[in-house]
Amino acid sequence: GDSVTQMEGPVTLSEEAFLTINCTYTATGYPSLFWYVQYPGEGLQLLLKATKADDKGSNKGFEATYRKETTSFHLEKGSVQVSDSAVYFCALKGGGFKTIFGAGTRLFVKA
Amino acid sequence: SQTIHQWPATLVQPVGSPLSLECTVEGTSNPNLYWYRQAAGRGLQLLFYSVGIGQISSEVPQNLSASRPQDRQFILSSKKLLLSDSGFYLCAWSLGGTSGKTDTQYFGPGTRLTVL
Repeated sequence: GDSVTQMEGPVTLSEEAFLTINCTYTATGYPSLFWYVQYPGEGLQLLLKATKADDKGSNKGFEATYRKETTSFHLEKGSVQVSDSAVYFCALKGGGFKTIFGAGTRLFVKA
Repeated sequence: SQTIHQWPATLVQPVGSPLSLECTVEGTSNPNLYWYRQAAGRGLQLLFYSVGIGQISSEVPQNLSASRPQDRQFILSSKKLLLSDSGFYLCAWSLGGTSGKTDTQYFGPGTRLTVL
């Protein structure tokens, strides 16, 4: 079945460092890909998404490109802030009602 | 605009007691509704989803059940809680009437359940 694998955390960075969180997927067909973010004590919220190959999703300085050839959707940000500390979930959705989530990667950003 | 509510926000219950968590959505009709559980430091586990009133699909056979008595109301229940039921319970919705692959899920604020 469909699955999502993302890098294990936690990831600890200093403020203004470059961030990459790796995500790869296995799916039949051509799913949409998502990154969700969960701030402490809250529910998840959509960060960005891409619906077809070579699409780039971007929001709040974060971006990710749908790479069909490598089945990847890595999350990047050029300069992280303390306020970016959160758990990041990669996810995919094909046809059907279910979204498949990765295990989540916790990011700590130090001032 | 659409909003999603969950209550209670926090709950501490003894083992063997019953459970009822409620989720309501405003500003949309016939949404798809979902219950997830997130154990401490873990990912999301889909428990139930519903595409309409009275229609419940179960993903994990255990002592939990779900009901959808109204279009925008989703309830998670248990007759007897176990220690392993502790966790962060999240309700979510997506656009109904479709199983489109582009559909975003919108999450509620969650209920933190501790079973002692």
